[in-house]
Amino acid sequence: DADVTQTPRNRITKTGKRIMLECSQTKGHDRMYWYRQDPGLGLRLIYYSFDVKDINKGEISDGYSVSRQAQAKFSLSLESAIPNQTALYFCATRTGTGEGTQYFGPGTRLTVL
Amino acid sequence: EDQVTQSPEALRLQEGESSSLNCSYTVSGLRGLFWYRQDPGKGPEFLFTLYSAGEEKEKERLKATLTKKESFLHITAPKPEDSATYLCAVQAGSNYQLIWGAGTKLIIKP
Repeated sequence: DADVTQTPRNRITKTGKRIMLECSQTKGHDRMYWYRQDPGLGLRLIYYSFDVKDINKGEISDGYSVSRQAQAKFSLSLESAIPNQTALYFCATRTGTGEGTQYFGPGTRLTVL
Repeated sequence: EDQVTQSPEALRLQEGESSSLNCSYTVSGLRGLFWYRQDPGKGPEFLFTLYSAGEEKEKERLKATLTKKESFLHITAPKPEDSATYLCAVQAGSNYQLIWGAGTKLIIKP
């Protein structure tokens, strides 16, 4: 079984709809991240969480919100989707101490029409 | 401003033709440099971490090296299954965030 899972894997929605992307992990890591990936650009950080009570904005948080329901679950919401939010979205986790490797989920391909 | 630049954007090689991918960076307080492999439609898969200039790491046909300004991912006698996008990221600062390059798309032709 995968250590980091994301649902749904693909989603097509319309402008103005509310969308939630979910991430679960079995690695026991404290830190969780949401990134988006666009063609020709590096991964960009949307939000990150060091634990259930510690949530922080990344470089592109406008238009997004998150919820850390438990150590293992971190959800990303688009309150009112717009076409330029069409992208690949990745969840990642890492240990909470010092330098550490981030491990990624399989991604969600989101299309906003 | 912290920045990571990867070159070339794309590289096409014949099977068995060795080459190198470059990752140059300008950050203050480097804590680590990471290489990942990403296959189409999948999440990045961790390959290596390098922490200090002069460090080298190897895995099968891949070898990563680090200087104070850049890292190279050397691929020796590549096979078609090495085709993927290779991502470089630098960890810096007090919150250990990663700064990502845009990636190099590597295509190995049989």
